[in-house]
Amino acid sequence: DVKVTQSSRYLVKRTGEKVFLECVQDMDHENMFWYRQDPGLGLRLIYFSYDVKMKEKGDIPEGYSVSREKKERFSLILESASTNQTSMYLCASSPFRGAGQEYFGPGTRLTVT
Amino acid sequence: GQQVMQIPQYQHVQEGEDFTTYCNSSTTLSNIQWYKQRPGGHPVFLIQLVKSGEVKKQKRLTFQFGEAKKNSSLHITATQTTDVGTYFCAARDQTGANNLFFGTGTRLTVIP
Repeated sequence: DVKVTQSSRYLVKRTGEKVFLECVQDMDHENMFWYRQDPGLGLRLIYFSYDVKMKEKGDIPEGYSVSREKKERFSLILESASTNQTSMYLCASSPFRGAGQEYFGPGTRLTVT
Repeated sequence: GQQVMQIPQYQHVQEGEDFTTYCNSSTTLSNIQWYKQRPGGHPVFLIQLVKSGEVKKQKRLTFQFGEAKKNSSLHITATQTTDVGTYFCAARDQTGANNLFFGTGTRLTVIP
């Protein structure tokens, strides 16, 4: 069974703090993704990576950066958190480039005050 | 980038009634996937459709991919309270893009 884990289920941070969200998958998947989910807006892609040290911008990369130093781990970084980044953050992985389903982690609900 | 429009945004049905959600794209799609997210949960893959006009069934769920590969639907027959959740379509365009484009989702409430 594929398992995607995220470092925290709930997180509360202050405006201006640097925030790290960690995601780990245990199935040797090539691709990893970070989404944010907001009511009425569905899932919006922030960044994705198809290989170690590779990253590509999604639809809403502003205010975020990512790091993929190891195949199994994909980190999302909020350099200076702002209140409009309060959201549910979902990590996903998929086995093949350009194909296959995505497996999601449980999500991190981030609140920035 | 690619956009996938999904309607309706919300649907309330009495238990036993049918339910349908629709996804539409302005461009031809390579394939389309459907996911279900239970309240408080994360999206879980249901199915993928690849061929033009394809129809697949999973018990009371019927999935269709349009002939032009620009639209898709999910139909649930005789809804049950276990069907509650948000249903998302997700599409890959014909460029072979590495990422999926998700619809905004349809949130289904089933009234017992």
